[in-house]
Amino acid sequence: DGGITQSPKYLFRKEGQNVTLSCEQNLNHDAMYWYRQDPGQGLRLIYYSQIVNDFQKGDIAEGYSVSREKKESFPLTVTSAQKNPTAFYLCATSPRSVATDTQYFGPGTRLTVL
Amino acid sequence: QQPVQSPQAVILREGEDAVINCSSSKALYSVHWYRQKHGEAPVFLMILLKGGEQKGHEKISASFNEKKQQSSLYLTASQLSYSGTYFCGTVISSGSARQLTFGSGTQLTVLP
Repeated sequence: DGGITQSPKYLFRKEGQNVTLSCEQNLNHDAMYWYRQDPGQGLRLIYYSQIVNDFQKGDIAEGYSVSREKKESFPLTVTSAQKNPTAFYLCATSPRSVATDTQYFGPGTRLTVL
Repeated sequence: QQPVQSPQAVILREGEDAVINCSSSKALYSVHWYRQKHGEAPVFLMILLKGGEQKGHEKISASFNEKKQQSSLYLTASQLSYSGTYFCGTVISSGSARQLTFGSGTQLTVLP
């Protein structure tokens, strides 16, 4: 059963705590992405990775960190430095380049800071 | 460099047509269209590439005017299932062309 898995679906965090969102894919796609979506807004790129052990900052990387140690996995850590982390987080993949390839999205993780 | 979508919202009756527009201030390599239903992940509709190539669903049509840096999505004979928020995403021609930037969305409601 191919696809993109994000866990957990809902996540609650206290202020000042770091939290890690999981993203796993078995599509054998090279590229992986993290987006943030706020209510009524579009998607904003946090980080992306074209190959293992390499990743680039997107438009809103401050307060976030990522790793890409395996092709299948691209976890996102929301650190305490992120001022307003409550949002819907979406992981996506594409076979190679987003310029010409479809992006496939995972089901998302809804993070709420209490 | 976020693309601008218009209209922000549109309400239709089943069977009516709609056009959603997306424009950029920069030269574009490709335009992508997605639909998102409330609380769900976006679903791919179409890619339009510089040079005229298109990839997407047969029932969806779109255009890409490279000179004007604009794209339009055409929804004909709308069905209830077309309701949702439509996003365009753009990849600019300059630089590494590895980043997709999304517009703020167009909310489409189809009524029976």
